Amino acid sequence: DAGVIQSPRHEVTEMGQEVTLRCKPISGHNSLFWYRQTMMRGLELLIYFNNNVPIDDSGMPEDRFSAKMPNASFSTLKIQPSEPRDSAVYFCASSLRSKQFFGPGTRLTVL
Amino acid sequence: TQLLEQSPQFLSIQEGENLTVYCNSSSVFSSLQWYRQEPGEGPVLLVTVVTGGEVKKLKRLTFQFGDARKDSSLHITAAQPGDTGLYLCAGETSGSRLTFGEGTQLTVNP
Repeated sequence: DAGVIQSPRHEVTEMGQEVTLRCKPISGHNSLFWYRQTMMRGLELLIYFNNNVPIDDSGMPEDRFSAKMPNASFSTLKIQPSEPRDSAVYFCASSLRSKQFFGPGTRLTVL
Repeated sequence: TQLLEQSPQFLSIQEGENLTVYCNSSSVFSSLQWYRQEPGEGPVLLVTVVTGGEVKKLKRLTFQFGDARKDSSLHITAAQPGDTGLYLCAGETSGSRLTFGEGTQLTVNP
């Protein structure tokens, strides 16, 4: 079985541009999580969905960040407009019960 | 906010040595998970401990959950270069939400 799939793996953009990160969870998993990892702050939960419904978005840093899950097999995390401090590795994870399976991450660099 | 503090943050040892990583919190968690992350990859789940006082072994790795379910430790016996990586503990709260510690970067030198 394929694991969690994320795209793109690397993204370099300029400040002010819109960035969209994509995630395909493991088939059959009913929870999906978006995390951000930096050296300074470690791994932070941004938002998570249960059965495609956003449950907790308290970790979303600002209104510039938004996430959607239109169906059970796809989710997006959008940053508009992007800023240099958004540079980080963004992970998507999915789970059926307590075990979370992480994707390989998207390394975002905002110049 | 429930915080998980890991120590040490960095650990560099020689092959064959033993080590222990600690994960502490003032909060009680329903379960505690340990992950290992290698460069360029996402964290991979190693173990989940649920019961206070529980001890789980995974080859040379021993995981323990504190009696009060607030802290945990990871002990590696006879470390090998393949054990090198970032070790993360994560406490589970409601709705399968995980709070991660800052991680321990382990380097095992041959």
